[in-house]
Amino acid sequence: EPEVTQTPSHQVTQMGQEVILRCVPISNHLYFYWYRQILGQKVEFLVSFYNNEISEKSEIFDDQFSVERPDGSNFTLKIRSTKLEDSAMYFCATSTGATGELFFGEGSRLTVL
Amino acid sequence: ILNVEQSPQSLHVQEGDSTNFTCSFPSSNFYALHWYRWETAKSPEALFVMTLNGDEKKKGRISATLNTKEGYSYLYIKGSQPEDSATYLCASRPSGSARQLTFGSGTQLTVLP
Repeated sequence: EPEVTQTPSHQVTQMGQEVILRCVPISNHLYFYWYRQILGQKVEFLVSFYNNEISEKSEIFDDQFSVERPDGSNFTLKIRSTKLEDSAMYFCATSTGATGELFFGEGSRLTVL
Repeated sequence: ILNVEQSPQSLHVQEGDSTNFTCSFPSSNFYALHWYRWETAKSPEALFVMTLNGDEKKKGRISATLNTKEGYSYLYIKGSQPEDSATYLCASRPSGSARQLTFGSGTQLTVLP
C-alpha cells in the first residue's frame, strides 16, 4: 500500500541551527501538508501546499519556516533558525483532493537543545 | 480558531467490551469531520470522513455518527480487541477553509486482554 515517508525520524539540533525535514508524498497525491504536535498538546496545522505554492498557512508558520518541492518528489519543511519551542513531532500529510482524508507519514521528531 | 474537544481523554476497557467516545466541534461553518486512529510509533490512519448531518459510517467493528446541528460525533467500537488500543483523533474542517483541519486532543484507548 502506498505510504508517505518522512526523514529523518529523529533530529537533535542546537538552537539557532537550520533544519530541513523531508517528506516523500504518495505519488498521485496533489495536496501536501505539514502538521506538528508539541509533546502533550494537540496536533496543529502549519501549512498546506498545492500546485507548487502555499495555499494556506497558520500563524505558527512565520518567516522562520518555509516549504518547497524542489525536485517534484520530496516535499520539505525548513526551519531557518530553530528555537527551543520548535521541539515537536512534525508530520507530513498528503491527499488526493482538497477536502478528503489525509495520509500521514510517521513523523519526524525534532529536539532543539 | 476552532475548538475541537474529545472525551474521555483516556479509557481502559476489557477485551470484548463495547465502548464509545465523543468529539464536539463548532456547528457553525461546518464542512467535514474526520476520525483518525493513531497507534504508537505509527502514522495516524484515516477511519472516516463525514459531512452530512445524520451520517453514519462503519468499518468492521468501528462505526461513527455525526450531528452537525449540535456539533458532535460519536465513535463506537463493538467488542473491543487488544489491537484496537490506540489514540483516536477527531478533526473538524470548516467551510470556507478548504484544507485546514483542527484536531482534538484525542482519546487514548487501552484494551486489556
